[in-house]
Amino acid sequence: QKEVEQNSGPLSVPEGAIASLNCTYSDRGSQSFFWYRQYSGKSPELIMFIYSNGDKEDGRFTAQLNKASQYVSLLIRDSQPSDSATYLCAVTGGGSNYKLTFGKGTLLTVNP
Amino acid sequence: EADIYQTPRYLVIGTGKKITLECSQTMGHDKMYWYQQDPGMELHLIHYSYGVNSTEKGDLSSESTVSRIRTEHFPLTLESARPSHTSQYLCASSVLGTGNGYTFGSGTRLTVV
Repeated sequence: QKEVEQNSGPLSVPEGAIASLNCTYSDRGSQSFFWYRQYSGKSPELIMFIYSNGDKEDGRFTAQLNKASQYVSLLIRDSQPSDSATYLCAVTGGGSNYKLTFGKGTLLTVNP
Repeated sequence: EADIYQTPRYLVIGTGKKITLECSQTMGHDKMYWYQQDPGMELHLIHYSYGVNSTEKGDLSSESTVSRIRTEHFPLTLESARPSHTSQYLCASSVLGTGNGYTFGSGTRLTVV
């Protein structure tokens, strides 16, 4: 079982809609959870991080974490064509394991 | 503005040549990482370092080597480049503590002909 699983997509939504991206992880000891956005040919950029169960909002982005279900999600409200990119879920291990494990990413396309 | 710098941005080189990909960061981060990523594919960790004189191999086996003589500098070397090494190489850094994400450099796109 892969440590961090994401639906590879592509996920296609119309402009202005809510895009929902999902991620599950296998290590129950994982402590920190991140969402990165990667445009084609570019390097990943951090857009959200979450440590505690519940929701965390930042502008149009909301990260949701449920440690009991080992599930983390990213909601993008009022999606824009500029949001079209691959979204990577990343998880740190427990204890002194500082390495981030990345999922394969979900390709999001926002149609004008 | 990026505080982690990779050079060169693009490199086309012949088979058998020795190459060094440079990565430097000005944030004082103790942890640094090298990832390899083919177009449209996932990131694979090939090397990491938690401090000066500390280097470890990552999850994906690589023929490359790294060194960490200074905190800010983490170069990657291929002694003899092969076409199979063609890929994008991404350097990243992070500060102590599990709660901090990585900052990535702009990457080096390597093509071995």
